[in-house]
Amino acid sequence: EVQLVESGGGLIQPGGSLRLSCAASGFTVTSNYMSWVRQAPGKGLEWVSIIYRDGNTFYADSVKGRFTISRDNSKNSLYLQMDSLRAEDTAVYYCARDEYYGSGIYGMDVWGQGTTVTVSS
Amino acid sequence: EIVMTQSPATLSVSPGERVTLSCRASQSVSSNLAWYQQKPGQAPRLLIYGASTRATGIPPRFSGSGFGTEFTLTISSLQSEDFAVYYCQQCNNWPPWTFGQGTKVDIK
Repeated sequence: EVQLVESGGGLIQPGGSLRLSCAASGFTVTSNYMSWVRQAPGKGLEWVSIIYRDGNTFYADSVKGRFTISRDNSKNSLYLQMDSLRAEDTAVYYCARDEYYGSGIYGMDVWGQGTTVTVSS
Repeated sequence: EIVMTQSPATLSVSPGERVTLSCRASQSVSSNLAWYQQKPGQAPRLLIYGASTRATGIPPRFSGSGFGTEFTLTISSLQSEDFAVYYCQQCNNWPPWTFGQGTKVDIK
């Protein structure tokens, strides 16, 4: 079964760090583009970061320089290292697979259940 | 960055009705547009990719159309399990991927 399972969320003080994990099963993370998407309480979806098959990474302006996406091939897992956390980073964080359908067409076809990050003193 | 605008923000509908949701891009995204459904407490689910292709397991009452800057998601006959928030996402000029703000479909 194709599945993503996130972990690592929690309550953290402003300025602190947290590392989110996303364990994949049923497919290989290195064979796909993989994204992190977050959703603040009562708000919509916000794309956070992506890692390409070749390892290139990109970030939303709101997290650039503070967050780092990475993967571990041996553990078939995706990670999001979050540093210098702010109250506005409070959200449910989802990892998702960016499936390529050809002709430049993509869609996030597999999502984890989400992990909650709360930044508060 | 491409801005995606969805309308209306909320739609109150009775079961069995036909529903049309709109999504507009601030510049052309060709046919690189996806639709997602999200129910309370759940992760989003991919409904449509490439503007009009249903994802695996999505029932045929869901259909997508459009090209360029104007897109539509249609639910031909709303079922009770379809009450949810729907998001569009452009997958053309990226990064960043950008989502619309969502349309909530609730019970009239």
